[in-house]
Order: sequence, then structure tokens, then C-alpha cells
Amino acid sequence: GAGVSQSPSNKVTEKGKDVELRCDPISGHTALYWYRQSLGQGLEFLIYFQGNSAPDKSGLPSDRFSAERTGGSVSTLTIQRTQQEDSAVYLCASSLAPVTGVGEQYFGPGTRLTVT
Amino acid sequence: AQSVSQHNHHVILSEAASLELGCNYSYGGTVNLFWYVQYPGQHLQLLLKYFSGDPLVKGIKGFEAEFIKSKFSFNLRKPSVQWSDTAEYFCAVSGGSTLGRLYFGRGTQLTVWP
Repeated sequence: GAGVSQSPSNKVTEKGKDVELRCDPISGHTALYWYRQSLGQGLEFLIYFQGNSAPDKSGLPSDRFSAERTGGSVSTLTIQRTQQEDSAVYLCASSLAPVTGVGEQYFGPGTRLTVT
Repeated sequence: AQSVSQHNHHVILSEAASLELGCNYSYGGTVNLFWYVQYPGQHLQLLLKYFSGDPLVKGIKGFEAEFIKSKFSFNLRKPSVQWSDTAEYFCAVSGGSTLGRLYFGRGTQLTVWP
């Protein structure tokens, strides 16, 4: 596609529910990143995929967070048993970067998650 | 872990004024440096990047940045701002063994009055 797309654009969920956020990277981009943007914490890295593998998942804040990538393309970020502190904008980025990860990242519009 | 500092949280300028936004990072090895911009209601867009070579890099919309290794800095500049430059600006760094993950500064909100 022309750019990175994310769905849904907005998600309101009740505390304790599970949510799935989807990212479609730019076609051909092997590297995919998830970040989140919140008022208190700024922009934080969550996880990095190279192809379908996640060599760096050190930014996931707890075991309630998981992500997968299939076919070297679409990625899903899942948050189980959501908490109010999970409220943030979740951003996906993709890059043509090789294994070293060096390259410019193109960001999607984000999913705004609100946990009530 | 790397850290990135942006010294100005909110900058207010009149049109045609000159702009300089500060960015300092902590990592002492080889780094890749970026400035991203987020216009109101839009997603993050790359403004300019530095990987190697000439430390003075030029980006879109008349922006430039200078990498000064000895000062661990990558300041963003524009000689004459426009109202349309009103946005939030983020400095970001990657490097070392971090596999391309970006470390972001907290951002600087720039407001330009016409």
C-alpha cells in the first residue's frame, strides 16, 4: 500500500477486556516496530520484528502484551486484561532496514486505545 | 539504554523568526539520528535523518540539522518559520546493538503565530 495502515483508529474498551490492534506495513518492508505514545511517557518502543521473528521484545511492559507477525507482513498487538494505564496511542512503523535495523521508519496513523 | 533530551517543551515564535530546537543523546558509539514531525491531526513524518557523512543534513520544508559528535547533539534549525510549521517535533536516535529501535525525546511543541 501507499503507507502504513492501522486498525482500528480508535478503540474504547472496558478494564479487563482483551484488545487486538492491527498493523499493515508498507509492502516489502521487512522490519516492523510497535511503539506507544502516552502523555506521561512520551514515545516508547514496544517490540521489533524482522520478518516474522521478534529479536527485540524488550519494550513490552508486561506479559499481558504480546505481538505476532505473519507472512512477513501484517502484525497484531494483543493486550490481555486491559488496565487503565494501557490507554495510549499505539503506533506501528515499518522500514526496509536489513538485519542491522538501520533505516528510516515510516509510521502509521496509530490506534488510540482508551480503557474505561 | 540510550536517552534523548529535548530541552524545549514548548516554543512560541512569530512568522519569519528563526528556529533552533535542541536535541542531545547519551550513546557514545555510532548513532543514527532523526527528526520527526507530527502536524495537528496527522501521523509522525520523517523530517530529516543522519546516518553518516556530512554532519549538516538538509530535510524537507527548509529544515536542517547539524550533528556535533563531540557535543552529542543534533539540533534542528530553520532560518524563517511559517505558520504551517506549527507542529510537535521529535528527535530520535538509534544505534549500537538496538537493532534500529528508536529512542525518542519527549517532543517540542512549536507554535508559530501569523
